Amino acid sequence: AQKITQTQPGMFVQEKEAVTLDCTYDTSDPSYGLFWYKQPSSGEMIFLIYQGSYDQQNATEGRYSLNFQKARKSANLVISASQLGDSAMYFCAMREEGRDDKIIFGKGTRLHILP
Amino acid sequence: GAGVSQSPSNKVTEKGKDVELRCDPISGHTALYWYRQSLGQGLEFLIYFQGNSAPDKSGLPSDRFSAERTGGSVSTLTIQRTQQEDSAVYLCASSLISVNTGELFFGEGSRLTVL
Repeated sequence: AQKITQTQPGMFVQEKEAVTLDCTYDTSDPSYGLFWYKQPSSGEMIFLIYQGSYDQQNATEGRYSLNFQKARKSANLVISASQLGDSAMYFCAMREEGRDDKIIFGKGTRLHILP
Repeated sequence: GAGVSQSPSNKVTEKGKDVELRCDPISGHTALYWYRQSLGQGLEFLIYFQGNSAPDKSGLPSDRFSAERTGGSVSTLTIQRTQQEDSAVYLCASSLISVNTGELFFGEGSRLTVL
């Protein structure tokens, strides 16, 4: 069963607009962590942001924030004031910390920022 | 080293040959992960090590795939009797789970092409 679901294969957004990338997850483990990574066309994997299941507040890192809705098992990435350099593939990932620390990834969303 | 190092960066081989892919993690990182990424696709989990042991080998696609880690450091992913469907980028990542978020630090990948 798919544990990480990213329902948007591709998105087109106008520069300077905010964008929300969707991620839902499935786990019965009460202790888990959620990650977002960016993969530009160069292929490198860039860590963006982390949310722990017990964190009381939504994580923020600069222009990135994570809209964590635990009851809905949702961990959407919000990018404010998008820039051309934000064009990339974005992956949501989860680690089930009560099990074996394996980290699994969703299929990704390709984001295109339009000038 | 300063980052995760993978070798070779590119490997072209003939169908039926064996290949070895090497990963040298960040010094001190206890966890090491292998993923496979086909062109334009997501990251497929293969195996992960905690120290020298592999708690989860469930992602290995077939018995032609094996991996080991020695000395809690370098890991080798071996693919025997390669097939064309093995063509992909093989990504290695390491992590120090007990610190902060325990995010993955990725290498640049080994691109495998099976002719």
